[in-house]
Amino acid sequence: DAGVTQSPTHLIKTRGQQVTLRCSPKSGHDTVSWYQQALGQGPQFIFQYYEEEERQRGNFPDRFSGHQFPNYSSELNVNALLLGDSALYLCASSLGGPIQETQYFGPGTRLLVL
Amino acid sequence: GIQVEQSPPDLILQEGANSTLRCNFSDSVNNLQWFHQNPWGQLINLFYIPSGTKQNGRLSATTVATERYSLLYISSSQTTDSGVYFCAVELWNNDMRFGAGTRLTVKP
Repeated sequence: DAGVTQSPTHLIKTRGQQVTLRCSPKSGHDTVSWYQQALGQGPQFIFQYYEEEERQRGNFPDRFSGHQFPNYSSELNVNALLLGDSALYLCASSLGGPIQETQYFGPGTRLLVL
Repeated sequence: GIQVEQSPPDLILQEGANSTLRCNFSDSVNNLQWFHQNPWGQLINLFYIPSGTKQNGRLSATTVATERYSLLYISSSQTTDSGVYFCAVELWNNDMRFGAGTRLTVKP
């Protein structure tokens, strides 16, 4: 049973560029959440997708957008990259519905913005 | 918004020692999880514990939701327990908030 997978593992971009990160949820999971973890801090919630809709959003600007596909995989897009966007981006999957279940995290994508 | 505070921020132990990590939260929550983040950044779920006590080997956790705190116990610590331990609370709107973590170093 494959766990949560993310690609790419590492990425280097320059300011102003755009980036797309990808996540495949654990088998059987239908909900994907994205987090940003800056160095030395805890993860911060970006948004959650369920049934191809953004269900909840954290305190992140509109430069951060996402998408969920019919197979439940998801993408995180960040436009107009800033130096402060350098972080570990984590994807987590779970079973959605009215009762929340345990979230399982992927290995993350390390983004460096120069 | 809700505050999630973890203590201590740093902990250094000798192999074989026991420890208790604490997580306080400022408002009622839908759920609470404990995670261990290894040096490569992988977050591993340890406990899903909205209330009560659970045990898994040398680890156990207790959440007292009415008093808004949770404890993670590590007994007979090993060097492989090193890393950062996070408490995360799930709000009623599906938002999840993490504490700043406790960095544990277990020395041989």
